[in-house]
Amino acid sequence: GAVVSQHPSRVICKSGTSVKIECRSLDFQATTMFWYRQFPKQSLMLMATSNEGSKATYEQGVEKDKFLINHASLTLSTLTVTSAHPEDSSFYICSAREASSGANVLTFGAGSRLTVL
Amino acid sequence: DQQVKQNSPSLSVQEGRISILNCDYTNSMFDYFLWYKKYPAEGPTFLISISSIKDKNEDGRFTVFLNKSAKHLSLHIVPSQPGDSAVYFCAASARRGGNTGKLIFGQGTTLQVKP
Repeated sequence: GAVVSQHPSRVICKSGTSVKIECRSLDFQATTMFWYRQFPKQSLMLMATSNEGSKATYEQGVEKDKFLINHASLTLSTLTVTSAHPEDSSFYICSAREASSGANVLTFGAGSRLTVL
Repeated sequence: DQQVKQNSPSLSVQEGRISILNCDYTNSMFDYFLWYKKYPAEGPTFLISISSIKDKNEDGRFTVFLNKSAKHLSLHIVPSQPGDSAVYFCAASARRGGNTGKLIFGQGTTLQVKP
């Protein structure tokens, strides 16, 4: 089946630094990937839709200059949290849809837990 | 505006019994619904889905029921097993209008199945 790999799984950084999270579709091509964020005991909130070869589409309330998304190839999307602050600490999850998997069935990565000190 | 709601944050059932997880939605444009299962520190994994043209979909121990008039769906797990203990997320999408792949999630329900 479709596999999405996310790296790193955990990252701790100092306030003010930038952190990059990678999301790769291992055995399929994904023209679209999605980035979600989850706070403890809360829902997965869609942050942005990453489109290969074009600009990402951000959801309302998500700062595009804060969360930089690059979808450079059909198998890789990256999320960079710029000038991270403690309130950015969260669980970030990417997902992708394999074209043959059926409508709207997303495969998720294992997630990246970001802790900003 | 919470378009997908799971009003029960937790559910505890005995092994072998039925688990029923509920989900309500408000957006009438939603036409495809999914359930995902999530273990701690892992990403969600797809469990089962249903299209709005159906009212029931069954896959082994898992059955999803959709009541469009009530904008309500439920996931039935029978018999429940201790390994089913996880957080279950209901998700919805509106495939009409070209929003392919964009899912809106509920808050999740933590299921505990006791041996």
